[in-house]
Order: sequence, then structure tokens, then C-alpha cells
Amino acid sequence: GQQLNQSPQSMFIQEGEDVSMNCTSSSIFNTWLWYKQDPGEGPVLLIALYKAGELTSNGRLTAQFGITRKDSFLNISASIPSDVGIYFCASGGGTSYGKLTFGQGTILTVHP
Amino acid sequence: GAGVSQSPSNKVTEKGKDVELRCDPISGHTALYWYRQSLGQGLEFLIYFQGNSAPDKSGLPSDRFSAERTGGSVSTLTIQRTQQEDSAVYLCASSGRQGARTEAFFGQGTRLTVV
Repeated sequence: GQQLNQSPQSMFIQEGEDVSMNCTSSSIFNTWLWYKQDPGEGPVLLIALYKAGELTSNGRLTAQFGITRKDSFLNISASIPSDVGIYFCASGGGTSYGKLTFGQGTILTVHP
Repeated sequence: GAGVSQSPSNKVTEKGKDVELRCDPISGHTALYWYRQSLGQGLEFLIYFQGNSAPDKSGLPSDRFSAERTGGSVSTLTIQRTQQEDSAVYLCASSGRQGARTEAFFGQGTRLTVV
């Protein structure tokens, strides 16, 4: 089945640093989504992207839909301790039509 | 309800017993997913329902796992003869299409502990 490669698997950063993570696929998708999961909670949608090349911001978060439609990245600027959690990418559309496929997640740890 | 609701939130069961986990999706959402997540790990896909189509069961780890979705709404994930390795958080998500937009929303999960 379709798979997403999400990297890095984990990150340990100092408060105030910027963070970047990405997802790649061998397939073309029409949708890229980014989620954050806090400990003990379900993942929550952060940013949704629907157009190749689209760049969208949500506060300190910025995500882009790659122009090849096979990748996406998420940047977090000026990280704070509450950014700790697991970040997941998800993609859909294309040949999967409607079904979303999730990456394995990036575990982010922020040291004060 | 306004969001995806899962019950119970926590379940402790003895090895060998059967368990049923319930998911109430967002009203009107045609797609429903079940995932399993071990502590601090990624999402393991289990099963996907889309409308009246045959479900995608490719992620179910063994024949002890089954799921159904009644009336295109509520879904139940059943684990028979539970084993200790079944201990995990089971997450449900639902999604619906609005034009070209497809976004999934997750429930809070059911934490299953097999002792």
C-alpha cells in the first residue's frame, strides 16, 4: 500500500530554536495534513494543504505542499516547551481517493 | 456530537477475554479509521471504512481482530482472546469530504491494558 516517509523520527531541541520536519511519498497526493498529538490525547489537526506549492501558516507553524505533490514540510519557529508532542503528516487523494495515509510521526522534545 | 467519541476511555481486561471498543464518528462523516498506538510510537493502521464500500482490513494484525460499522455510523472494534501484546491505545478517526477537502478528526482513544 501507499506509504509516507516522515523524518526525522525524533528531535531534541532547545527552547527558542526553529524546527523542521518533512514527509515524502512515491505517489502523488491532492491533500497534505499535519497533526500534533499531546501525551494522552488524540492527534489534532494543525494545518491542511490542498494545492501544490501552497504555503500556509498557523501562528508559529508553517507548512508547504510540495510542487511535485509528493512531499510536504512543517516548520515551527521559536519553539516553546508546549510544542512537545508527536507530529504526524497525512496525505490523501490521488489514487487513494478519500483514504488518508499517515506518516510514522516525529517525536519532538523541547528543553527549556 | 461535535467530535469523535470513543468509549470506554480506559479498559483493563484479563488475558484471554474478549473486548469491544466503540467509536461514534462525527455526524455525516462517511469515512472511519481505526489505528493502534503503542506508548510513544506512531500510528498503526488497522481498518478503514468508506461509505457502503467493502472495508479495507489490510491492517488487522490477526483474525482475533474484527470491526464493523453499523448503518454507516457507529463502529465497534472487537478483539477476541486478548493477549498482552494487544495493550495499546486504540484511536478512531472520521473524515468527510467538502468539495476537494478531506480532513480527519480523531477521538481521544481507548487505552487497553491486558493483564
